[in-house]
Amino acid sequence: EAGVTQFPSHSVIEKGQTVTLRCDPISGHDNLYWYRRVMGKEIKFLLHFVKESKQDESGMPNNRFLAERTGGTYSTLKVQPAELEDSGVYFCASSRRGAGNMDEQYFGPGTRLTVT
Amino acid sequence: LAKTTQPISMDSYEGQEVNITCSHNNIATNDYITWYQQFPSQGPRFIIQGYKTKVTNEVASLFIPADRKSSTLSLPRVSLSDTAVYYCLVGGVSGTYKYIFGTGTRLKVLA
Repeated sequence: EAGVTQFPSHSVIEKGQTVTLRCDPISGHDNLYWYRRVMGKEIKFLLHFVKESKQDESGMPNNRFLAERTGGTYSTLKVQPAELEDSGVYFCASSRRGAGNMDEQYFGPGTRLTVT
Repeated sequence: LAKTTQPISMDSYEGQEVNITCSHNNIATNDYITWYQQFPSQGPRFIIQGYKTKVTNEVASLFIPADRKSSTLSLPRVSLSDTAVYYCLVGGVSGTYKYIFGTGTRLKVLA
């Protein structure tokens, strides 16, 4: 079984540009999560999809971040326009069971975003 | 906002048992506690999950006291390859920011 994959592995962009991160969850996993770790801080929850629906996006830092999961398969996280403080590692995870019964989340390797 | 704290770092020797504690004073009724291991340039990898009392699998044990305000990950007989950062994750269906990662504990296993 293939694991969670993320693309790109590393992205370097200038302040004000747009970047789109992609996550492909494990096949059959309805739950998809986005997290990020900015320099020196803890891993922070961003949002949670159940299939194509946003179950909880309370962790999204501001309206420069837009996450989508069309068709309930892969997900994208777009940052527009990027700011310096957006630099960090963005992790995606997926799980099988519903959020009402927390299940093992499988994490991707992360996308390292550097905004200069 | 719930805060989940762990010791920053720990050192141990090969073959010893290592116990890492996570404090989660504001844990909600429906929250589970999960522990992850992370190596450099990789995503967190699941170790064990529990809700209360004790859970054991082939790699670790998880101890959760009755008040559930803390949890302890126990790694028996660590080896050099267990050198990594260990995170607790508290989460469930209640409240916002419902998945809270701990601050992470950097474990270094010495020969």
